Amino acid sequence: EVHLVESGGGLVQPGGSLRLSCAASGFTFSSYWMHWVRQAPGKGLVWVSRISSDGSITGYADSVKGRFTISRDDAKNTLYLQLNSLRVEDTAVYHCAREGATGSYPDYWGQGTLVTVSS
Amino acid sequence: SSELTQPPSVSVSPGQTARITCSGDELPKKYAYWYQQKSGQAPVLVIYEDTKRPSGIPERFSGSSSGTMATLTISGAQVEDEADYYCYSTDNSGHHRGLFGGGTKLTVL
Repeated sequence: EVHLVESGGGLVQPGGSLRLSCAASGFTFSSYWMHWVRQAPGKGLVWVSRISSDGSITGYADSVKGRFTISRDDAKNTLYLQLNSLRVEDTAVYHCAREGATGSYPDYWGQGTLVTVSS
Repeated sequence: SSELTQPPSVSVSPGQTARITCSGDELPKKYAYWYQQKSGQAPVLVIYEDTKRPSGIPERFSGSSSGTMATLTISGAQVEDEADYYCYSTDNSGHHRGLFGGGTKLTVL
């Protein structure tokens, strides 16, 4: 069974940094592209970032490009998202998701970790 | 930039057919995907590649796509289908970016 567990969220001041982690199990992590998707309180899903199975290809939403960095450690079956220069509008639950085998879409999702940016 | 547009809300009575639309200029060239999100839960994939249903998703869920519009149809909607539904696709920028619609709140009562 696919299992994704995010951690690393918390309260941070504007301009601060956090690193989110996503521990994966139940599938061959190194074979799959992975995504991060966020959801502000009471709002809709927003795609954030994506990384290829070998880590060589990444993509970012315009709103986070240059501030967030996606990476992975296949030896640890873990996906990361480094969040820098955080803004109040980055406040959200951050979900990691595995990409489907047949295309560029998330199929299995974690429950998410809450990031709150506030002074 | 690319956008996917959904109606904010759809309401049906139990047993009726619910249709949720998603429009976007990229959809003639890109697949649409649909997710169900119940309150406080992670999203669940209910339709992929326009029309395909993952294992475990009830047959009452179906998808279609024509031109710039994709549609999620729930035939004989049940009370337990009440949730937020999001369409998803990828943009044509070549930058490996995903895109969600704004979401549709389905009320079944």
